[in-house]
Amino acid sequence: DQQVKQNSPSLSVQEGRISILNCDYTNSMFDYFLWYKKYPAEGPTFLISISSIKDKNEDGRFTVFLNKSAKHLSLHIVPSQPGDSAVYFCAASVSSNTGKLIFGQGTTLQVKP
Amino acid sequence: GAGVSQSPSNKVTEKGKDVELRCDPISGHTALYWYRQSLGQGLEFLIYFQGNSAPDKSGLPSDRFSAERTGGSVSTLTIQRTQQEDSAVYLCASSLGRDHETQYFGPGTRLLVL
Repeated sequence: DQQVKQNSPSLSVQEGRISILNCDYTNSMFDYFLWYKKYPAEGPTFLISISSIKDKNEDGRFTVFLNKSAKHLSLHIVPSQPGDSAVYFCAASVSSNTGKLIFGQGTTLQVKP
Repeated sequence: GAGVSQSPSNKVTEKGKDVELRCDPISGHTALYWYRQSLGQGLEFLIYFQGNSAPDKSGLPSDRFSAERTGGSVSTLTIQRTQQEDSAVYLCASSLGRDHETQYFGPGTRLLVL
């Protein structure tokens, strides 16, 4: 039972354009959502998060949008840079157990110069 | 400062053997987590230690898997009688343990069971 799904295994965009990575979840108890970025042979690194009381959180070039009614979140990267090329994982947790992150399968982003 | 470290970085073992994977969390972090990433899959939660509380073992896939955390610091994940489906990258993370604190990941141990 995949509670967090990233249906696009890969995405390719041109440098300077917007990258939009999508994530869907099924568990309505999830109330905190995160995006992690992973380079090959390294562990994931935290990128940005959002609480369910918000519908948008912005940090520099990265913005996360949350649509609770659709159980959908997205990560926007503007403008995309070649160094953004990595695997992006969305993750979710519930307030009663914030340490237990449920991850999606990941989307590989390639930003072409 | 030092991040989360894991050893070994790579481990090749034969089916049926036991393996031990080690994680050294960031100093001062009270929470420690183990995940695994199988080929083409996302990160799968295994177990979570928070201070002196009983660990959350809800993600361990079978009783062949166990983990302990000694002295509130170093953790060892043990897989007994390894199977080929145990082949994966095993990732450890640590955090300050407060709600929604960022989890910092180590580079992982790549386990291959032949």
